[in-house]
Amino acid sequence: DAGVTQSPTHLIKTRGQQVTLRCSPKSGHDTVSWYQQALGQGPQFIFQYYEEEERQRGNFPDRFSGHQFPNYSSELNVNALLLGDSALYLCASSFPGTREVLTFGAGSRLTVL
Amino acid sequence: GIQVEQSPPDLILQEGANSTLRCNFSDSVNNLQWFHQNPWGQLINLFYIPSGTKQNGRLSATTVATERYSLLYISSSQTTDSGVYFCAVPNRDDKIIFGKGTRLHILP
Repeated sequence: DAGVTQSPTHLIKTRGQQVTLRCSPKSGHDTVSWYQQALGQGPQFIFQYYEEEERQRGNFPDRFSGHQFPNYSSELNVNALLLGDSALYLCASSFPGTREVLTFGAGSRLTVL
Repeated sequence: GIQVEQSPPDLILQEGANSTLRCNFSDSVNNLQWFHQNPWGQLINLFYIPSGTKQNGRLSATTVATERYSLLYISSSQTTDSGVYFCAVPNRDDKIIFGKGTRLHILP
């Protein structure tokens, strides 16, 4: 049983570019949450998707957007990249009734030059 | 919003030593999770512990919700225990908020 899978694992972009990160939740999970983790910090909540809709959002600008597909997989899009967007982006999934119990993927490490 | 404070921020121990990590939170919560992040960035859920005590091998956790703190105990530390330990709690909007973590380094 595959856990949460994320792609790509590493990527390098330049300022102003756009990036798309992908996440497949653990089997049986229907909710996907995205987190940004800067170096030396704890993960910061970006948003959560359930039933293909954004249900909750953290304090992130509109440059951060997402999508959830009918198979529960999800994408995180970041437009107009800034140097400060360099971070580890973590996807977490959870299953119905226990949305607060999170299973994390290995993350996508984004470097913006 | 809710504040989550973890202590100590850094801890260096010899293999075989025991340790206690603390998580304080500023508001009442109905659940709390402890995670271990390995040196490659993978976050592993150790405990879901809204209250009481749980044990899993050399690790155990206790949450005293009425006093707004949780403790993670690691006994007989091994080098594979190295990494960062986070506690996470939901705020009033049910968003999961993480502390800044305790960085643990176990020396062989």
